[in-house]
Amino acid sequence: SYVLTQPPSVSVAPGETAKITCTGNNIGSKSLHWYQQRPGQAPVLVIHYDTDRPSGIPERFSGSNSENTATLTISSVEAGDEADYYCLVWDGDTYQALFGGGTRLTVL
Amino acid sequence: EVQVLESGGDLVQPGGSLRLSCATSGFTFGSYAMSWVRQAPGKGLEWVSGIGSDGNSIHYADSVKGRFTISRDNSKNTLYLQMSNLRAEDSALYYCAKHDGEYDSSGIDVWGQGTTVTVSS
Repeated sequence: SYVLTQPPSVSVAPGETAKITCTGNNIGSKSLHWYQQRPGQAPVLVIHYDTDRPSGIPERFSGSNSENTATLTISSVEAGDEADYYCLVWDGDTYQALFGGGTRLTVL
Repeated sequence: EVQVLESGGDLVQPGGSLRLSCATSGFTFGSYAMSWVRQAPGKGLEWVSGIGSDGNSIHYADSVKGRFTISRDNSKNTLYLQMSNLRAEDSALYYCAKHDGEYDSSGIDVWGQGTTVTVSS
């Protein structure tokens, strides 16, 4: 079955750039979505279809997806960005949706 | 405003059954696929099941296949999840989620606040 791998944690100082990766075999051929989940809250869509930013999401959030790695980039990181981030794809071989294991972003 | 509101979570004994509901408003329910996603305490997100906009396309995670049944009533703008033969590992916060297209292969763009299912004797 298809596997998505995310680093368990990423730490960054305020004002710096955070990069969160989601790796999978030929993931660049799939549509990938990113979600932010703050403690005690429901997930929120921050990037869909690899690179598109929904309305209301700051321009600091961007995405890319190529070959075997998708990346969520958060520039000028703020304390409020501290959260868990999950990637999501659809596996057309098994007809199932699949989340990555999640990455906890810590703002130092 | 798009809203999804889950209900039906409860404490249930192993082997028992439970039905979750998700009432929606603020969008044309019958035009969008829907899914259930769960999150065990302290764990990550796990997709459980999805259903296409017309109810004819249905998919399940391997972990629930044969035990859970997803359905929808487009006349009532409501999504359901019938859960049977429940196990301790099914204990989680269950989210109702709206897709941005008619198939559950599309992205999820709206989430509810979740309803808690606890399976324990």
